[in-house]
Amino acid sequence: DQQVKQNSPSLSVQEGRISILNCDYTNSMFDYFLWYKKYPAEGPTFLISISSIKDKNEDGRFTVFLNKSAKHLSLHIVPSQPGDSAVYFCAASRTGTASKLTFGTGTRLQVTL
Amino acid sequence: DAGVIQSPRHEVTEMGQEVTLRCKPISGHDYLFWYRQTMMRGLELLIYFNNNVPIDDSGMPEDRFSAKMPNASFSTLKIQPSEPRDSAVYFCASTPTSGVSRQYFGPGTRLTVT
Repeated sequence: DQQVKQNSPSLSVQEGRISILNCDYTNSMFDYFLWYKKYPAEGPTFLISISSIKDKNEDGRFTVFLNKSAKHLSLHIVPSQPGDSAVYFCAASRTGTASKLTFGTGTRLQVTL
Repeated sequence: DAGVIQSPRHEVTEMGQEVTLRCKPISGHDYLFWYRQTMMRGLELLIYFNNNVPIDDSGMPEDRFSAKMPNASFSTLKIQPSEPRDSAVYFCASTPTSGVSRQYFGPGTRLTVT
């Protein structure tokens, strides 16, 4: 059973516009959420995270929003750049599970010129 | 400091053969994780270690899969015998004890079983 879901396998956005990547989770015990970015032939790299005590975290062009009641989080990239083209994974963890992460299936973002 | 190192980067083998994937975590990291990436299931956690001790192997798909961590700087994931459905990219990741959840991934091993 997929506890973390990314229902959009792909997304195409024009350069300069906003990219919004979505993620849903089913386990209400998750209290820490992360986004990872993955380029072809490389391992995923950490992008941004958010604790369940917050509803927003911002880092430069990247903002993650968390809606606990809906069990939904989203990653906003503004403005989108061609170098942002990658696969984005959403991940979740629970306090006390020793850094164990549950990942979604990923969304492939393509930023076009 | 070097990142997580995995070898080989690519492995092509025939069904029934034994496959061994290797990982060197970042020095000083206490946790080591093995993941498998497939299109259908994304990144699946197979097993993870803390201070060289396996903590949770509930993600290991079958008895054909085994993992060891003989010391703090080396881990192996072995598949014996391999099957075509094992074809995937296998990642190793490590993280220090401090903080929460941010894991550092290696470049992965692309395994193809024919």
